[in-house]
Amino acid sequence: EAGVAQSPRYKIIEKRQSVAFWCNPISGHATLYWYQQILGQGPKLLIQFQNNGVVDDSQLPKDRFSAERLKGVDSTLKIQPAKLEDSAVYLCASSLEFGSPNEQFFGPGTRLTVL
Amino acid sequence: DAKTTQPPSMDCAEGRAANLPCNHSTISGNEYVYWYRQIHSQGPQYIIHGLKNNETNEMASLIITEDRKSSTLILPHATLRDTAVYYCIADNAGNMLTFGGGTRLMVKP
Repeated sequence: EAGVAQSPRYKIIEKRQSVAFWCNPISGHATLYWYQQILGQGPKLLIQFQNNGVVDDSQLPKDRFSAERLKGVDSTLKIQPAKLEDSAVYLCASSLEFGSPNEQFFGPGTRLTVL
Repeated sequence: DAKTTQPPSMDCAEGRAANLPCNHSTISGNEYVYWYRQIHSQGPQYIIHGLKNNETNEMASLIITEDRKSSTLILPHATLRDTAVYYCIADNAGNMLTFGGGTRLMVKP
């Protein structure tokens, strides 16, 4: 079974630039998550999709972050404009369904460095 | 979600059992205890979850106290590849995961 795919694996940009990350979840998984993990901390949930609808985006800084999952499969997370404090690993995860005990499968993450 | 408390770090000798504790004294009746681990430079990996009864799978065992205020993750025969940060999370469906600082387990030869 193929895992969660993310690209790029690494990205270096300057502050005020824009950046986008892509995620392809495990086939058939209805729920998709984006997390931000700052060095030395646990992952923080940014946004959660059920198919192509947003379930929760309460921790997404909406003035600069946006995410979409147009066809209910793959997803993109965008930052515009980036700040120094956005330097982190951005993790995508997926799970089979929402609302029942289930496990999340994580991708390898995209490491973003903002200079 | 209930808050969980874990020791920041632990050591374990290779081949011995690793017992990782977690306190979740405010856990509610419908919240499960989930364990994930994160090996360096990788995404987190699901290990196990439980509600009331003890659970075992090919990776680990989960022991939950009768009052559900604490639990222990047991890796029966730790290897060097088990060196990772282990996260204990209380959540009702495993969707809204709130990761704390976790326990950094170092398995030593």
